[in-house]
Amino acid sequence: GEDVEQSLFLSVREGDSSVINCTYTDSSSTYLYWYKQEPGAGLQLLTYIFSNMDMKQDQRLTVLLNKKDKHLSLRIADTQTGDSAIYFCAEMLNTGNQFYFGTGTSLTVIP
Amino acid sequence: KAGVTQTPRYLIKTRGQQVTLSCSPISGHRSVSWYQQTPGQGLQFLFEYFSETQRNKGNFPGRFSGRQFSNSRSEMNVSTLELGDSALYLCASSLGLANRQETQYFGPGTRLLVL
Repeated sequence: GEDVEQSLFLSVREGDSSVINCTYTDSSSTYLYWYKQEPGAGLQLLTYIFSNMDMKQDQRLTVLLNKKDKHLSLRIADTQTGDSAIYFCAEMLNTGNQFYFGTGTSLTVIP
Repeated sequence: KAGVTQTPRYLIKTRGQQVTLSCSPISGHRSVSWYQQTPGQGLQFLFEYFSETQRNKGNFPGRFSGRQFSNSRSEMNVSTLELGDSALYLCASSLGLANRQETQYFGPGTRLLVL
């Protein structure tokens, strides 16, 4: 399978910005996604970006894509305690409807 | 629109038994993918079904199988359960249009415990 890597843990103070990073290996990725998983729940889609874009902003969320370095990041502005969860990046290849997920980053927001 | 539903939500089985999990996709979605999530291995792709056919497959042994019905509902079966099969099993549905922007919507998962 494809390698999609993320750091395992991130801890930030409430009100600060969080930046979650992801690297992927397949340059044929067409779309890249960020999902959020709260304890005991399934994955909730947060946002996605097409591979020909550099940046996408959606309220408190900013996605940056560096296609040359195969690096994707998710910035959460004004992080709240409700943002504490595991965040997964995922890539969809242009070879079919198959998704590859990263290892997940556990974000802890300290009040 | 109703979301993706999975049944049962929780299941306890013993080694050697078999189990069948069910997933109902969002109405109009024809693709159903299954994932296994464990603390050690993360989220691993099992297989994807589209129009009653298995279209993609991950690296799992043959004990893991699935099928899809004409109404797009899908089931996955695990035979001869092992302790290591204890996991959260997630299914995700999407329209299934390859080479176009797709979003997978996830169900809440079935938590399987093998004793």
